[in-house]
Amino acid sequence: EPEVTQTPSHQVTQMGQEVILRCVPISNHLYFYWYRQILGQKVEFLVSFYNNEISEKSEIFDDQFSVERPDGSNFTLKIRSTKLEDSAMYFCASSEERASYGYTFGSGTRLTVV
Amino acid sequence: SQQGEEDPQALSIQEGENATMNCSYKTSINNLQWYRQNSGRGLVHLILIRSNEREKHSGRLRVTLDTSKKSSSLLITASRAADTASYFCATDPNTGGFKTIFGAGTRLFVKA
Repeated sequence: EPEVTQTPSHQVTQMGQEVILRCVPISNHLYFYWYRQILGQKVEFLVSFYNNEISEKSEIFDDQFSVERPDGSNFTLKIRSTKLEDSAMYFCASSEERASYGYTFGSGTRLTVV
Repeated sequence: SQQGEEDPQALSIQEGENATMNCSYKTSINNLQWYRQNSGRGLVHLILIRSNEREKHSGRLRVTLDTSKKSSSLLITASRAADTASYFCATDPNTGGFKTIFGAGTRLFVKA
């Protein structure tokens, strides 16, 4: 069964540092997404990406966040200057079409900002 | 309630019993999805039901959708201890956008 792979599984970073979370979506999928889940809270949409550009982003996805598909296989989320409140589980997802068949999620990266 | 709100928030049942979780939403949708999340793990897609469908089955799972009431239910029959997890509904709003909106989830505990 094809999988979405996320690395690292857990990252601890100092407040103010930049972090890059990495994802390898399923190879024939065209739509890519980042979601986050603060401990014990809802899964929140951050951004969707299609055809090498952002197709939609939430109010959470401010100027501190950016996404990139640098090499045709990886899909990255960068947080430029992390804040304590960025501590969360970050999930990458991909879909073949625009959510017509549901998403395949990665197992997540737990980001802890100290 | 907000888009994609589940109830109950928590459910505790004995192994072998059926578990029913409900989800309500506000806007019109293209589809509704149910996901499972084991503690601290990723989200596993269980089933997707389109807005023109009323019921769907997958193994021990049965999902219904009532678009007139803007609600859905997930029934797990003959539950097992391994079904212990959080279950989320997620809606794909019919707004032309690209995001899926998750509810807060139902925490299911199945006692062996």
